[in-house]
Amino acid sequence: EVQLVESGGGLVKPGGSLRLSCAASGFTFSSYSMNWVRQAPGKGLEWVSSISSSSSYIYYADSVKGRFTISRDNAKNSLYLQMNSLRAEDTAVYYCARARTGTTDYWGQGTLVTVSS
Amino acid sequence: QSVLTQPPSVSAAPGQKVTISCSGSSSNIGNNYVSWYQQLPGTAPKLLIYDNNKRPSGIPDRFSGSKSGTSATLGITGLQTGDEADYYCGTWDSSLSAHVVFGGGTKLTVL
Repeated sequence: EVQLVESGGGLVKPGGSLRLSCAASGFTFSSYSMNWVRQAPGKGLEWVSSISSSSSYIYYADSVKGRFTISRDNAKNSLYLQMNSLRAEDTAVYYCARARTGTTDYWGQGTLVTVSS
Repeated sequence: QSVLTQPPSVSAAPGQKVTISCSGSSSNIGNNYVSWYQQLPGTAPKLLIYDNNKRPSGIPDRFSGSKSGTSATLGITGLQTGDEADYYCGTWDSSLSAHVVFGGGTKLTVL
């Protein structure tokens, strides 16, 4: 069974940093690209970042480019999102999701990031 | 403002059929597969439809998808109260500004 478990969310002040983690199991993690997708309270889904299976290709939404860094450790079956210079508008539930050709097929339960003073 | 356009809400009675539209452009829907996701209250999104019209294992055939040009449609027949949820379309985008794009979501109410 595919499982994606996010952790690392919490309350942080504007300008602060946070590192999210996603532990993957139930599939060959090193064979799949992965995404981070976020959802602000009461709002829709917003793609944040993608990383290819071997980390060769990395993409970011304009809204986080230069502030967030996606990475992965295939030996640990883990995906990460380093978030710096956090803003109030980054407040959201952050989902780790598995990418497959043309779709995103499995999602974690999400971790809440709140940016507030 | 989402890249893909969906109606904010739709409603229908139990047992009826409903369709949800998703409109995009040639840089996204027009040249890529479309997926649909169901998000029940308080839960993570779940894949309903991929590659425009394919259903993952375990998704009932009451759910269907189609695509024409730069638009896609999700259909749900035999509506049940348990179908009340937010539905999102999603696809890849070949423009420089985004890699994956979603619609703004449609709230389905089963009256």
